[in-house]
Amino acid sequence: AQKVTQAQTEISVVEKEDVTLDCVYETRDTTYYLFWYKQPPSGELVFLIRRNSFDEQNEISGRYSWNFQKSTSSFNFTITASQVVDSAVYFCALSEGGGSEKLVFGKGMKLTVNP
Amino acid sequence: GAVVSQHPSWVICKSGTSVKIECRSLDFQATTMFWYRQFPKQSLMLMATSNEGSKATYEQGVEKDKFLINHASLTLSTLTVTSAHPEDSSFYICSARSPSRPNEQFFGPGTRLTVL
Repeated sequence: AQKVTQAQTEISVVEKEDVTLDCVYETRDTTYYLFWYKQPPSGELVFLIRRNSFDEQNEISGRYSWNFQKSTSSFNFTITASQVVDSAVYFCALSEGGGSEKLVFGKGMKLTVNP
Repeated sequence: GAVVSQHPSWVICKSGTSVKIECRSLDFQATTMFWYRQFPKQSLMLMATSNEGSKATYEQGVEKDKFLINHASLTLSTLTVTSAHPEDSSFYICSARSPSRPNEQFFGPGTRLTVL
């Protein structure tokens, strides 16, 4: 069975600090996809990244970066120089079967960035 | 591209009434749509998977007679909460998958249901 664990439930930082959101997953499939979503107070899910199980390259997109390590089954997300607009709940998610199947979400991590 | 809408964005109803929520893919055809429920300060939980032209597949613990799903066309799926009760109050989110981009789900903005 697939499972996603986000051990941190809530983090509060001051603007410009770097923050890392942890995600650990469990799956028996060799083919799977990992995702990160942002959910601001409005509730709408904002897609951030998708990574397949065969691509362990780390990715950087502006202030966002992701570290995928199959050896530890982790897919961590780092925000560099955080801003108030980064305040939201962040979800890590997993889908098996080549990505065409259902998404299983972690419990989410609420990030508050204070000015 | 890949825009999904939901209607209504919020609804308040009396206990015992039924509420219908629509999920539409605006610029693509969605062979599969998913319905999620999110209680306050909790994660998204999949309720059911809806395939166009066939019966929905419900997750364990989700009552199919209470949460009626109809995926009548390639651009529309509806979720009807029948005989709603206060414990059904939640944020309902749909997502849609396009055959041309099978590894992605595109999420709607969600519908907030409050049952009095």
